[in-house]
Amino acid sequence: EPEVTQTPSHQVTQMGQEVILRCVPISNHLYFYWYRQILGQKVEFLVSFYNNEISEKSEIFDDQFSVERPDGSNFTLKIRSTKLEDSAMYFCASSATGASGNTIYFGEGSWLTVV
Amino acid sequence: AQSVTQLDSHVSVSEGTPVLLRCNYSSSYSPSLFWYVQHPNKGLQLLLKYTSAATLVKGINGFEAEFKKSETSFHLTKPSAHMSDAAEYFCVVSGNYGGSQGNLIFGKGTKLSVKP
Repeated sequence: EPEVTQTPSHQVTQMGQEVILRCVPISNHLYFYWYRQILGQKVEFLVSFYNNEISEKSEIFDDQFSVERPDGSNFTLKIRSTKLEDSAMYFCASSATGASGNTIYFGEGSWLTVV
Repeated sequence: AQSVTQLDSHVSVSEGTPVLLRCNYSSSYSPSLFWYVQHPNKGLQLLLKYTSAATLVKGINGFEAEFKKSETSFHLTKPSAHMSDAAEYFCVVSGNYGGSQGNLIFGKGTKLSVKP
């Protein structure tokens, strides 16, 4: 079964450093997403991306965050200057369409620890 | 605004006994509802989804859920638990009306333990 893959699985970074989390969505999917889960809290929506632009973003997704599809297969999340509160599990996801009820497939997550 | 409440943070059952994981939702329109499962060190896997078709939805691994509009509930059940069912389960509602449904709203999760 096709799956979303994420790298790295775990990254430790110093506060103020830039971090890039990478994702390879399922190959024929057109919609891409990032979610995050702070330890002990709910999984939260960050951003959705379609046709090379952000289609929706949450209040969490401020100017410190950016997303990019640098080539035909990768989808990245960049955090420009990490803060302690950015420590979380970040999930990449993709779906074939953006229609309501369409299945969204998630990766295994990238665990980011900011020290 | 849409929201989801999972009523139990932890449920423990014995192998072979029924499983009930409770979920209530709040939505200003007819929602799409999902159950995802997360096994340790694994990603979020879709168990089943409701999208305004049949109210009783069957998913993978013998799980099913019933959409009850009058009770605003979408509880997850399985007749007989297996050790491999031990995982965290998330009830999810689609955040947006109509087209874009990428803004999924997650419940806090219910950790299911299965005793031998």
